[in-house]
Amino acid sequence: AQTVTQSQPEMSVQEAETVTLSCTYDTSESNYYLFWYKQPPSRQMILVIRQEAYKQQNATENRFSVNFQKAAKSFSLKISDSQLGDTAMYFCAFIHSWGSQGNLIFGKGTKLSVKP
Amino acid sequence: EAGVTQFPSHSVIEKGQTVTLRCDPISGHDNLYWYRRVMGKEIKFLLHFVKESKQDESGMPNNRFLAERTGGTYSTLKVQPAELEDSGVYFCASSQDPTRRGNEQFFGPGTRLTVL
Repeated sequence: AQTVTQSQPEMSVQEAETVTLSCTYDTSESNYYLFWYKQPPSRQMILVIRQEAYKQQNATENRFSVNFQKAAKSFSLKISDSQLGDTAMYFCAFIHSWGSQGNLIFGKGTKLSVKP
Repeated sequence: EAGVTQFPSHSVIEKGQTVTLRCDPISGHDNLYWYRRVMGKEIKFLLHFVKESKQDESGMPNNRFLAERTGGTYSTLKVQPAELEDSGVYFCASSQDPTRRGNEQFFGPGTRLTVL
């Protein structure tokens, strides 16, 4: 079964510091996409960063970067220079590149609190 | 560009009643997805429309759930009769191109359903 595991239900970090959220997944496929989505309190879920499994280079988006380890099936998110606006639920997800299952598969989420 | 909208934002109903949730995707998006998050658990896939056709409804819990997408535009998800375990947040998402699974799925704010 395809699963995504986020082992940290809650985390906190001081403003301006760096935090890493962990994510592992399980799939027998070799081609897929990985995502981190963010849902701020009472707001819509938005895409933070995306990684294509066939690309070895880790994706980066400004203060957000990933550490993608395909063999270990690990996809962690690093947030540098944390800001108060980064407070949110963070969901790790993947989708297969082809096949009958064209939906996102999510983890349970990590609630991140950035403290002033 | 307007985002994905969902109505209502909250719904509280009694067990045995009927509720209809609505999702308006981003204009021009052929893919429309329904997901559900039960408290403390993963966001789980319910079904996927491509235009007006059900591409995959493998995540629908049972025949009390009925989804439609009239004319390939907005979608409704009806729960009849509702049970206690149907409580949760129902998310709708849309994306543009059914052939490009790596594309971002844009999420609506969700409908929080409480069945008493």
